[in-house]
Amino acid sequence: SQTIHQWPATLVQPVGSPLSLECTVEGTSNPNLYWYRQAAGRGLQLLFYSVGIGQISSEVPQNLSASRPQDRQFILSSKKLLLSDSGFYLCAWRGGPNEKLFFGSGTQLSVL
Amino acid sequence: QKEVEQNSGPLSVPEGAIASLNCTYSDRVSQSFFWYRQYSGKSPELIMSIYSNGDKEDGRFTAQLNKASQYVSLLIRDSQPSDSATYLCAVQPSNTGKLIFGQGTTLQVKP
Repeated sequence: SQTIHQWPATLVQPVGSPLSLECTVEGTSNPNLYWYRQAAGRGLQLLFYSVGIGQISSEVPQNLSASRPQDRQFILSSKKLLLSDSGFYLCAWRGGPNEKLFFGSGTQLSVL
Repeated sequence: QKEVEQNSGPLSVPEGAIASLNCTYSDRVSQSFFWYRQYSGKSPELIMSIYSNGDKEDGRFTAQLNKASQYVSLLIRDSQPSDSATYLCAVQPSNTGKLIFGQGTTLQVKP
């Protein structure tokens, strides 16, 4: 069966520090991969999605970036965090367009 | 206009009642529709998917889709306190790989 791993569960970072969040999927090949962010009390905002290695679509211009160095690995990065980057970051995968989306357990990021 | 819109609530219903959650979307040719439930501090979990006009039932849950009206809803029968959560509607716009979520509706089921 397919599983998605996302870590860490919580992270506290100072303003201006770098960020790297990693997500890996097991049990499937060539998944569509997604990064969402959920600010406190808000809905899910799509940040990036990828339909294949090296293929990244950015939805929101900001100081975040994403990379997909391997088929089942998706990385969210920032060179310098802002206070507004605080939120609940969720990685998700699905087998293809129109298929069901499954989420990782999320990372609660607090930028102080 | 937001791509996917939901009333944020809270929607409060008594235990045993039917809860009705609604969602509208802007892309007329959207193809796939999903309902997720999210408990506070947790990641969303899939409840139902629906692709064709009409009703789809799964246990106490019924999803309803009306593409002409660009409207999708979720009915929860015999609501339980454990159903208290935020319900997220998600829509797959045409010809894209992305899945867009609404803001979510908070449901409170009172014993």
